[in-house]
Amino acid sequence: GAVVSQHPSRVICKSGTSVKIECRSLDFQATTMFWYRQFPKQSLMLMATSNEGSKATYEQGVEKDKFLINHASLTLSTLTVTSAHPEDSSFYICSARETTGFLNQPQHFGDGTRLSIL
Amino acid sequence: AQSVTQLDSHVSVSEGTPVLLRCNYSSSYSPSLFWYVQHPNKGLQLLLKYTSAATLVKGINGFEAEFKKSETSFHLTKPSAHMSDAAEYFCVVSDPNFNKFYFGSGTKLNVKP
Repeated sequence: GAVVSQHPSRVICKSGTSVKIECRSLDFQATTMFWYRQFPKQSLMLMATSNEGSKATYEQGVEKDKFLINHASLTLSTLTVTSAHPEDSSFYICSARETTGFLNQPQHFGDGTRLSIL
Repeated sequence: AQSVTQLDSHVSVSEGTPVLLRCNYSSSYSPSLFWYVQHPNKGLQLLLKYTSAATLVKGINGFEAEFKKSETSFHLTKPSAHMSDAAEYFCVVSDPNFNKFYFGSGTKLNVKP
């Protein structure tokens, strides 16, 4: 089946540093990838839609300059949390949708990144 | 507009008994619906999907769901719960082009021995 690899699985760092999270589709090509944020005991909140070779589309209320997204290839998207602060601590999950000629393809999710800012 | 309501935040069953997780949706289009499962500190795994084919959808690990348009429901069931089924379950509706997923608030399933 389709596998999405997300790295790192856990990050602990000091306030003010920038953190990069990678999302890779291992056995399929993904024109579109998605970045979600999940607060404890809550559902997933879509942050942005990442499109290969173009700018990401951010959801309302998500700071573009804070959460930088790059989708440079059909198998890799990155999320960089710039100048991270404790309020950015969260569980970040990426997903990817297969680029096929068929409709109705589901999103495949990575295992998430637990980000803790001290 | 698309939205999903998961009617129960917590469900507790005994091992070997049936599981029912309820989901109601609202969609401006003919919906595509999914159920995902999330184990602690993990990403989401696809259980099953409905995309306008058969209304009774069979998924992995013995789960199935029935699409009922008249009731705008897509409830998830399993005849016999296993301890390994304990997890959080999300019902999801997507737009026709799958550009966005709309998640329910999740149902935490507890399985008692």
